[in-house]
Amino acid sequence: EAGVAQSPRYKIIEKRQSVAFWCNPISGHATLYWYQQILGQGPKLLIQFQNNGVVDDSQLPKDRFSAERLKGVDSTLKIQPAKLEDSAVYLCASSPGGGTGYTFGSGTRLTVV
Amino acid sequence: GDSVTQMEGPVTLSEEAFLTINCTYTATGYPSLFWYVQYPGEGLQLLLKATKADDKGSNKGFEATYRKETTSFHLEKGSVQVSDSAVYFCALSDLAGGATNKLIFGTGTLLAVQP
Repeated sequence: EAGVAQSPRYKIIEKRQSVAFWCNPISGHATLYWYQQILGQGPKLLIQFQNNGVVDDSQLPKDRFSAERLKGVDSTLKIQPAKLEDSAVYLCASSPGGGTGYTFGSGTRLTVV
Repeated sequence: GDSVTQMEGPVTLSEEAFLTINCTYTATGYPSLFWYVQYPGEGLQLLLKATKADDKGSNKGFEATYRKETTSFHLEKGSVQVSDSAVYFCALSDLAGGATNKLIFGTGTLLAVQP
């Protein structure tokens, strides 16, 4: 079974620029999550999708972050404009649902300079 | 709100030493508890889990018991190896009351095992 794929692996941008991350979940997994992991902290949920609908985006800074999951499969997370404090690893995870079977991708490490 | 507190690192041990990483939680419902491990340059991997009080999760020689009375889920291993060097995260997921099954993580504990 293929894992959760994320790209790019690394990204360096200047503040005020925009950036997008891509995630391809495990086939058949209805639930997709984006987490932000700042250095020295545990991952924090940004947004959760169930198929192509948003379940929880209460921690997403909506003035600069946006996410979509077209056709209930792949997802993109965008930051526009980026701030220095957005430097973090962005983790995508998927699960079949029901609180079981979480699988994380390797993440995208974003550095904002 | 729900939260997880785990001991700060780094924890430095010699090979074959006994490991304990403390984790306590606060939750309004009846959470499931997890330990995740993150090896250098890799994503998070589920190490073990427990879904109800007194359950013991175990994997690769690691164990943790869900203690509702002390709201704890301490990670233990009897004899660590160099290959166990990684960051360990305690987490909970609370489905009670219609909550989403998001994971709430502790800050992580870096374990460094020396030969």
